[in-house]
Amino acid sequence: ETGVTQTPRHLVMGMTNKKSLKCEQHLGHNAMYWYKQSAKKPLELMFVYNFKEQTENNSVPSRFSPECPNSSHLFLHLHTLQPEDSALYLCASSQGQLNTEAFFGQGTRLTVV
Amino acid sequence: AQKVTQAQTEISVVEKEDVTLDCVYETRDTTYYLFWYKQPPSGELVFLIRRNSFDEQNEISGRYSWNFQKSTSSFNFTITASQVVDSAVYFCALSEARRSSASKIIFGSGTRLSIRP
Repeated sequence: ETGVTQTPRHLVMGMTNKKSLKCEQHLGHNAMYWYKQSAKKPLELMFVYNFKEQTENNSVPSRFSPECPNSSHLFLHLHTLQPEDSALYLCASSQGQLNTEAFFGQGTRLTVV
Repeated sequence: AQKVTQAQTEISVVEKEDVTLDCVYETRDTTYYLFWYKQPPSGELVFLIRRNSFDEQNEISGRYSWNFQKSTSSFNFTITASQVVDSAVYFCALSEARRSSASKIIFGSGTRLSIRP
């Protein structure tokens, strides 16, 4: 079982749909992250949670709504997305401290049609 | 504000050649960490190395080596005797501490490395 698991791996949704991305980590970490990776753009940090509390919202549009019910689970709720939101969404976890690396899931490839 | 720059968008070399991936960073903090990650076609980012701002010793791990120079704010990555399996996108990243919160990890734009047989 991998350390960080993301589901689904692929998702196609219409602009009026509501869907959720799920991330689960089995590493005992305290911090969880959502990143967006678009074609030809750098990895963009979206949200950071530390001990279930959101500590960073990197000016993300409200059509993306994160939820962190506990330190092991992280969701990204999606509604009324735009085609330009199509991207690879990566979840990561870490101990939360400065000197620890983040461990990533395999991502959800999202296509908005 | 912190920033990581990887000026090389794509590099292509023939197998067994040595290749260096450049990384330049900006930060106002005196304490920070630098990372390199590998992203194979499967999509998952794989952690390769971590280096703190107070340790400028170069590190070697098999065919991989890293050169951290604080004076030039650079953290370059060299693959010796490259192999086809090294083909991937490589990301350099910077971590800064946040008071009472998790560290913020910022990535460069990545370098796509292609190793031709």
